[in-house]
Parts: sequence; C-alpha cells; structure tokens
Amino acid sequence: DVKVTQSSRYLVKRTGEKVFLECVQDMDHENMFWYRQDPGLGLRLIYFSYDVKMKEKGDIPEGYSVSREKKERFSLILESASTNQTSMYLCASRQDLRAFFGQGTRLTVV
Amino acid sequence: KNEVEQSPQNLTAQEGEFITINCSYSVGISALHWLQQHPGGGIVSLFMLSSGKKKHGRLIATINIQEKHSSLHITASHPRDSAVYICAVPPYGQNFVFGPGTRLSVLP
Repeated sequence: DVKVTQSSRYLVKRTGEKVFLECVQDMDHENMFWYRQDPGLGLRLIYFSYDVKMKEKGDIPEGYSVSREKKERFSLILESASTNQTSMYLCASRQDLRAFFGQGTRLTVV
Repeated sequence: KNEVEQSPQNLTAQEGEFITINCSYSVGISALHWLQQHPGGGIVSLFMLSSGKKKHGRLIATINIQEKHSSLHITASHPRDSAVYICAVPPYGQNFVFGPGTRLSVLP
C-alpha cells in the first residue's frame, strides 16, 4: 500500500514557537507538496519540491520554509508560529499524474 | 473566473438516493482527480481519469475532455458517503488546481 505519512494528526503550539511538520512518502516520488486548507478558501499551495534539496514557493509561502534533505521526507517549518497559521496542513506526493495525500495535521496556535 | 468550479456547493440527500457532483474547469489538462475528505480527516484519491468513465464500487466518475467537464456519481448513497468531494486538475506540467469542494451529507 502506497503511503504518505504525516507525523502528527493534531498539534497545539504557542505563538512564537518554531514548528516542524514532517511528511514521509514511501513511493520514491520526486514531487512533494505542502498545502493548507481553510474554510471557504480551499486548498492553497505553500511550497513544493521537485527533487532533493530543491524547493519552490507556492501561492502562500510567507511565514513558512521547507526542507528536503532526503527524497522521501519533506518538512514544513513555521519559523515563529502565529495564530493566523492555525489551519489544517496537508502533504502530498506526486509522480506524473498520480497523486497521494497524507492524513493531514490540524495545527492550533494559541 | 475560477479555473476549477464545482456544483453544487452543498448537497443533502436521503440514504439510497443517486447523487451527482459536477466539476468544470477552464485550463487544459490531461487528467482529473476526484478526492474525498471525511470530517477531520485527510484526503483520499478516489479516481484519476483522463477519458471516458471509471467505476469503483458505488462510485462512478466520467469526464469529457472536449467539454472540460467531469461528474462524480454515487449510487445507493449511504451515510458513510458523507464527506467533502474535491476535484483537482494538474494543468500540463504544473501543480494541482483544486475545486472548492462539494459538501455532501447523506441522512439515514
């Protein structure tokens, strides 16, 4: 069974904390993505990566950074968490036209 | 104009009803995905299709590339089908563009 695994389902962090959201895929996919999902706004692309150590900004990169040191792992980093980053975060991997999504991490910043 | 539109936005049905959700898009694509998201859960890819029709259990997806339109049908709907259904298209060589989703509630 192919899998995209996000390290946490639920997270509560304090304002100003540095937050790491981890995503691992076991399909040897080159392309990986981080999205956030908010009511009324749908899924919005934060960052994506087409290869190891390669990253590209998506539509809403402000306040986020990413790391792709190994092909299977794509990390999203909130350098200094803020309350407006409270959201559902979804990781995806893709090869050609096939895409697979993680279970999502619901992050609350208090 | 949004690149991917869905209708209806919200849908409430009685158990057993036949359900149709529509997706229209304005970009050129080679395939379309139908995704399902249960409340509080992650996203599951139901179908990827580039032409014709695909069937999986009670779910049927059709696509007309020329008309830039796809439909997702659910036969004999059940309360466990209650979820948000999202269509997503990867424009040639680019990242996904997602529809706004259709929230389906199936009442027992």
